[in-house]
Amino acid sequence: QITLRESGPTLVKPTQTLTLTCSFSGFSLTTSGVSVAWIRQPPGKALEWLASIYWDDDKSFNPSMKNRLAITKDTSKNQVVLTLTDMDPVDTATYYCARSLPSSGWYYGRYYFADWGQGTLVTVSS
Amino acid sequence: QSVLTQPPSASGTPGQRVSISCSGSSSSLGSNTVNWYQHLPGAAPKILIYSNTQRPAGVPDRFSASKFGTSASLAISGLRSEDEADYYCAAWDDSLNGWVFGGGTKLTVL
Repeated sequence: QITLRESGPTLVKPTQTLTLTCSFSGFSLTTSGVSVAWIRQPPGKALEWLASIYWDDDKSFNPSMKNRLAITKDTSKNQVVLTLTDMDPVDTATYYCARSLPSSGWYYGRYYFADWGQGTLVTVSS
Repeated sequence: QSVLTQPPSASGTPGQRVSISCSGSSSSLGSNTVNWYQHLPGAAPKILIYSNTQRPAGVPDRFSASKFGTSASLAISGLRSEDEADYYCAAWDDSLNGWVFGGGTKLTVL
């Protein structure tokens, strides 16, 4: 059974750095082709992809936020950590992590978000 | 404004067939496969269709999808009350070098 769970602070102040952890089970990030992504949804708005990390430590980032994002993995702990610097109230959102798999080949465009965590709501307010 | 364009809302009565469109560009839908997600209220998003037309195990065959060029469409037949949710299309964009989502379509079952 595949499970993913997001954890981290529920409230951060403007300008602070957000650190979120995705803890997962049922799969390994050492398996070829596997990736874990972070996606967020501001209240009442659409889903927005933030970053992905792949089994070979390749990484990709939302270009509009690339200078604020970092993503790392700890395969021994089955965890992926996302950091987002210089938080602003517009970053208030539910943050999800998701296991991503390729449908054919390992090209980015062939992936899909196969399994999702329940999400964690992060509010940015002073 | 989302890179992929979806109608903000759709509706139908139980048993009907409804379609939701998703329009992109040559660098998104024109170059890559499209995936569809269902987001029920209070739940995690769920993969509904991947690689343009493929249903994961457990997704009813009432859900189907197609893609032609830079446009894609999700169809739901035999509409049921439990289908009331937000539906999102998503694809990799080669120009942006990242994933893009549609703005989401809120489906109401009347």
